[in-house]
Amino acid sequence: TAGITQAPTSQILAAGRSMTLRCTQDMRHNAMYWYRQDLGLGLRLIHYSNTAGTTGKGEVPDGYSVSRANTDDFPLTLASAVPSQTSVYFCASRRNGPPGELFFGEGSRLTVL
Amino acid sequence: DQQVKQNSPSLSVQEGRISILNCDYTNSMFDYFLWYKKYPAEGPTFLISISSIKDKNEDGRFTVFLNKSAKHLSLHIVPSQPGDSAVYFCAASRYFSGNTPLVFGKGTRLSVIA
Repeated sequence: TAGITQAPTSQILAAGRSMTLRCTQDMRHNAMYWYRQDLGLGLRLIHYSNTAGTTGKGEVPDGYSVSRANTDDFPLTLASAVPSQTSVYFCASRRNGPPGELFFGEGSRLTVL
Repeated sequence: DQQVKQNSPSLSVQEGRISILNCDYTNSMFDYFLWYKKYPAEGPTFLISISSIKDKNEDGRFTVFLNKSAKHLSLHIVPSQPGDSAVYFCAASRYFSGNTPLVFGKGTRLSVIA
């Protein structure tokens, strides 16, 4: 069972370049999320989507954009990467009914130089 | 303004003893709480949850306690095993009163010593 698939697994990017992190789920979950994990800061929400066609800003949205054209895909784009965006990025989807837990992908490690 | 707080960055426990991980929250509208476990180089995995209508939920060696008046929850692991060594995240949301994203704490690193 695939669940949540993220790509790439890791990437080194020059500052100023753009990058799209891909996320696909096969569970037909309505809600999807992007979090970043940084040492000492835990998991912080970047953007979310409660259903296809809608998106919302999380705690740290600046410098990132998302789209939700269909239920399965939720890409995260960095238009012009900066070193502070060096992080591990996790995509997640939420079970439609109780207990409503999130299922996470394996993460994408991004280094911006 | 941190809505979910895990004030202990790390915890060490002997194998076989009880591990207690604590979490405090500030938003009284939160009605649903979850614990996640994360191993290095892997995504977080769901461990156990509790809704605000309960004060305790058990699943095998894992029990979560909720004290709504104190805005405090705790995860008990009994007995602790070396494979429990991981980072544990507490999370909260308004699930039953308006589906909102989960807010996570900063995590507590548990080390179970054999």
